Amino acid sequence: QQPVQSPQAVILREGEDAVINCSSSKALYSVHWYRQKHGEAPVFLMILLKGGEQKGHEKISASFNEKKQQSSLYLTASQLSYSGTYFCGTEFQAGNNRKLIWGLGTSLAVNP
Amino acid sequence: SQTIHQWPATLVQPVGSPLSLECTVEGTSNPNLYWYRQAAGRGLQLLFYSVGIGQISSEVPQNLSASRPQDRQFILSSKKLLLSDSGFYLCAWSVSWAIYGYTFGSGTRLTVV
Repeated sequence: QQPVQSPQAVILREGEDAVINCSSSKALYSVHWYRQKHGEAPVFLMILLKGGEQKGHEKISASFNEKKQQSSLYLTASQLSYSGTYFCGTEFQAGNNRKLIWGLGTSLAVNP
Repeated sequence: SQTIHQWPATLVQPVGSPLSLECTVEGTSNPNLYWYRQAAGRGLQLLFYSVGIGQISSEVPQNLSASRPQDRQFILSSKKLLLSDSGFYLCAWSVSWAIYGYTFGSGTRLTVV
């Protein structure tokens, strides 16, 4: 049930681009993206809803492919502040409720 | 604006000792409140959530319990800690997580020794 994130880790130089993927085996209602800096709490980035796509938050955008149950997070012209671990959370139907389950994260390091 | 406070920031407790972590939210009424645990290599795991005073739902049966004595206060407790309770505990609030996502507190790093 847990979504699979890839890559597990990526190292960039400032100004380079990166793509982080999140794949699920379940039919999804939405995909959530958060960034967590070391020792800090996760910070909400965006939600990709079924049937739509949401952009925002600096130069970070994302897409959601409903047929493949995959989401990708795009970081363009990376900045040092982008460093951290990126988590996706996938929302799916579980019985009468909707649940959110998280991936294990993708560690991103942006170097000068 | 809404703020969420969580304390303590770090805690080292012996096995078998009790636990009490507190979380409070300011600037909103009747928030939905959540306790998450983040263990190394396991991602975020929802432990409890509450939609109102005295209303607690448990997601994972375990050694922990939660209480919500006041509208904006959420407490995570244990009578006897286990080594496996070590982790990073996060309190969060949301109007509706499916639409707006979560706002997390700063977390408590718990080490059970």
